[in-house]
Amino acid sequence: ETGVTQTPRHLVMGMTNKKSLKCEQHLGHNAMYWYKQSAKKPLELMFVYNFKEQTENNSVPSRFSPECPNSSHLFLHLHTLQPEDSALYLCASSPRWTENTEAFFGQGTRLTVV
Amino acid sequence: RKEVEQDPGPFNVPEGATVAFNCTYSNSASQSFFWYRQDCRKEPKLLMSVYSSGNEDGRFTAQLNRASQYISLLIRDSKLSDSATYLCVAREGGKLIFGQGTELSVKP
Repeated sequence: ETGVTQTPRHLVMGMTNKKSLKCEQHLGHNAMYWYKQSAKKPLELMFVYNFKEQTENNSVPSRFSPECPNSSHLFLHLHTLQPEDSALYLCASSPRWTENTEAFFGQGTRLTVV
Repeated sequence: RKEVEQDPGPFNVPEGATVAFNCTYSNSASQSFFWYRQDCRKEPKLLMSVYSSGNEDGRFTAQLNRASQYISLLIRDSKLSDSATYLCVAREGGKLIFGQGTELSVKP
């Protein structure tokens, strides 16, 4: 148990659907991240939040919309996705935004777009 | 050029072998470094941080060479349970940048 919980664990959605991924951390961390992991590719950083403020948007298409209502919760809203968006979406948190600390990951949401 | 580069492997080694993984990073301003382990279809988990002076945790030894922008991980006396993908990570300010990962398979 890493203290970072993601729901749902698996999601199948059509290209016209709207869905949301949820992440919650119970570690008292200030920074939260969304990563995308496609097969045979490195983890791709999507968004970074520090104390609810977005500090990084790594050229992510607008069909992915993050929301961070507080430092414990992070959402990723999905709409009109493409089949190539199918991947493992990982949420992570770290104690401080820029200090030399590691990140702790949730178990991920495996997304399939049909 | 990739920001963090690793040999994807796979490395196939017998139990008890010593295996070394290397990683290079392109941004000289990177501040800290880590090795993560990722099992098939699971999330990455921290294996160890990497310090300039080198550090050891049981059978695992990590080294950092800032001049060459190079990080290494040495695993001694490999166990079957060490089979996984090992991810090299560099922190650049608020971002953690991951390498592609090196796949290790330890055989009986």
